[in-house]
Formats: sequence, C-alpha cells, structure tokens
Amino acid sequence: QKEVEQNSGPLSVPEGAIASLNCTYSDRGSQSFFWYRQYSGKSPELIMSIYSNGDKEDGRFTAQLNKASQYVSLLIRDSQPSDSATYLCAVTYGGATNKLIFGTGTLLAIQP
Amino acid sequence: EADIYQTPRYLVIGTGKKITLECSQTMGHDKMYWYQQDPGMELHLIHYSYGVNSTEKGDLSSESTVSRIRTEHFPLTLESARPSHTSQYLCASATRGETQYFGPGTRLLVL
Repeated sequence: QKEVEQNSGPLSVPEGAIASLNCTYSDRGSQSFFWYRQYSGKSPELIMSIYSNGDKEDGRFTAQLNKASQYVSLLIRDSQPSDSATYLCAVTYGGATNKLIFGTGTLLAIQP
Repeated sequence: EADIYQTPRYLVIGTGKKITLECSQTMGHDKMYWYQQDPGMELHLIHYSYGVNSTEKGDLSSESTVSRIRTEHFPLTLESARPSHTSQYLCASATRGETQYFGPGTRLLVL
C-alpha cells in the first residue's frame, strides 16, 4: 500500500530555532525521497532530495533518511519567517516507475 | 532547474465548456506529469508521460485527457467541464532522475 504520512501541523517554531519536520512511508521499495516547500496558493518548490541513508546538508536545510525505519526528516536551522509554508514529503514508489507519492504536508509557522 | 509554463493561470468557465490547460517546458525533459490539488489537500497524480506519444493515467481517476505530440508540450483537456472539476492543476517535468519541477499551476473554477 502506497502511503506517505506527515503530521499536518501547524508546527509553530520561534524565529532562529530549529524546525524539525517528519515523514514516514510504507513502501519498502522506495528509493528516492524529496522535500518540497509550498507557499499558500503557489506551486511546490524543491528543497532537498536524498537517496541514501544518513544526512544531507544544504545551507540551513538538512535531510535525514533511515530506510530501515522508513523515515525521512527535514531540519531547518535558524528558522526565518520566510520559512513559513507547507512542507511536502514525496517518495518514489512502484519500483523504477519514476512516480512520486506526496504526503499531505506539514504547515510550518515561524513566530517572529 | 526547469522552466515550466502553464496557461492560463486562472480560468473561470461555465459548466459544459471544453477547456484545455497548457503546459510547456523548455529543458527537454522526457517525463511530464499532471497533478490535481484541492486547497489544503495533497497532490494527486492524474496523468503522466515518459516521452512523445506516451501517456498514462495516474492514481486519481480523472475525466481529463492528455496528449504528448512534442517533447516540450503536455496539454490537458476537459471535454465538458463540471463544478466537480474545480481545483488547482499542477504540471511538472523531470529529467532521467526522479526530481520533479513544478509549473506555477492553473486555478480552475467551473460555475
């Protein structure tokens, strides 16, 4: 069964703090994992991709993947009000079909 | 990063009309996708294409149809619009990898 689960939030984080967003997935065959940011009324924008277990850092963003636990997370350091958005976790499924299944997203609110 | 264009950005139309939502990308990506997203809800894949003359239905049943006659162009058509078709339609494209890049979307309102 294809499924990607995220806490819908809202997740409220003070400005300058670390925001932690979590995602679990059900398809053990999933190989590629993505985090997208979506501002209200806009289209999703790619933040990070991760393919192997461990951490991947890009600026203030760190993606973490644990395939054994079927868990992927996104950390945002030094959170800014402009980080306030919905964060979508997306996972490939169905082997090499290059299709993504998206979670419902976590609404992140950075408090000034 | 891909340059993906969608037109129109907003469309208000009456029930029963035929509409075509345009999607074009300039990066030569082989794979293109159409998603439907209602406010506050997840994206649902309705159509995808892995190349010219290749189209498949996605996971969400849709009354729309698509075509892929040119690599850069992936239009979506509704033969007879209904209020239940009111939604945001997002087009995306990807290279050989799975990373998908999204266009700005079309907001459709069917009265």
